[in-house]
Amino acid sequence: RKEVEQDPGPFNVPEGATVAFNCTYSNSASQSFFWYRQDCRKEPKLLMSVYSSGNEDGRFTAQLNRASQYISLLIRDSKLSDSATYLCVVNMRGATNKLIFGTGTLLAVQP
Amino acid sequence: GAVVSQHPSRVICKSGTSVKIECRSLDFQATTMFWYRQFPKQSLMLMATSNEGSKATYEQGVEKDKFLINHASLTLSTLTVTSAHPEDSSFYICSARDYGDGELFFGEGSRLTVL
Repeated sequence: RKEVEQDPGPFNVPEGATVAFNCTYSNSASQSFFWYRQDCRKEPKLLMSVYSSGNEDGRFTAQLNRASQYISLLIRDSKLSDSATYLCVVNMRGATNKLIFGTGTLLAVQP
Repeated sequence: GAVVSQHPSRVICKSGTSVKIECRSLDFQATTMFWYRQFPKQSLMLMATSNEGSKATYEQGVEKDKFLINHASLTLSTLTVTSAHPEDSSFYICSARDYGDGELFFGEGSRLTVL
């Protein structure tokens, strides 16, 4: 089983739509969680951290369910510029303290 | 502006040659840097953790003699792909944090093509 699993998509949605991505992780000792965005042939960039209480940043809402080892990202009112690959990232604390990346979910927002 | 700079952004080389990629933290000192590799349509795979002043820690399946990592200063880590082969063609990305659990900043990536 992969350490971080995501639906690769692609998710093709019209402008203005609401879209949700899910991610599951296998290691219950995981400490920190993030969503990164990666544009084609570019480096990943941090979109937002994910907190247990859930957090929102404009049109983006992230949720964490530790009991189910599940993370989600909700994008409201999709824009063309939201088209990218969204990477679910988990930080394994402790001796390793390294980030594990999911394979990413491709979003294509259509005009 | 970019806080982690990677160079070169693109390199094409002949099979059997060695290629060096540099990763610099511009605004902070990084005792630890990470090197990733990404093949088309796949996720970033951690290759190794580069530790300033000591040996790098390699992930399982990554050959340390083929991918030489040097982290000689707090702002510079280098990855050398030795005796490159076409199957080493990939997107190599470095990253660094400016403190323990801070945001991870990525370099712009280096696209290696081995002919």
